[in-house]
Amino acid sequence: ETGVTQSPTHLIKTRGQQVTLRCSSQSGHNTVSWYQQALGQGPQFIFQYYREEENGRGNFPPRFSGLQFPNYSSELNVNALELDDSALYLCASSWGLGLAKNIQYFGAGTRLSVL
Amino acid sequence: AQTVTQSQPEMSVQEAETVTLSCTYDTSESDYYLFWYKQPPSRQMILVIRQEAYKQQNATENRFSVNFQKAAKSFSLKISDSQLGDAAMYFCAYKEEKGAQKLVFGQGTRLTINP
Repeated sequence: ETGVTQSPTHLIKTRGQQVTLRCSSQSGHNTVSWYQQALGQGPQFIFQYYREEENGRGNFPPRFSGLQFPNYSSELNVNALELDDSALYLCASSWGLGLAKNIQYFGAGTRLSVL
Repeated sequence: AQTVTQSQPEMSVQEAETVTLSCTYDTSESDYYLFWYKQPPSRQMILVIRQEAYKQQNATENRFSVNFQKAAKSFSLKISDSQLGDAAMYFCAYKEEKGAQKLVFGQGTRLTINP
């Protein structure tokens, strides 16, 4: 176990709806990253938060947004859902921003299906 | 942009035998980190091994070792004495020394262990 928990485990939405996914970081970790993993593919970086501020973003449209709270838990919000948003969404926490060698610890993900 | 390529979509090995998974990457940076992650059916990414690019010595973790060839931009994973619990998707990942420190993943290799 990595100490990173995500909720819900599975989610079914319809096209055009909005969804919020949640992540609880490992104790003491102040950096969280979100990834999208399409079926049969490797994860792709969505964005990263450090001390409640966005610190880097991948090639995802603005309808993907996030929040990090003072306790370092995090949310991923997706508006105007599209069929291609169906994927496994992974959250990873780590400590520190300037230490690239630091390991990212992953949660088990939220499986989102958009119908 | 950095890219990571895993050319073996699937591999299989007999229990107790040795298997090598391949990974190549493309970058113009000199300082970076490479990782192998394992993703079992439980979906949680688990770190298997990490290599710092500035270190010439190949990393080892028990039955897992890497062959890091910096000039060739190659980073293969060797699993010795394969066990049934090693069956999973294996992802090679790259992370820069600077910037948002996002992980860039390959497409993955599905490893099957035959009893």
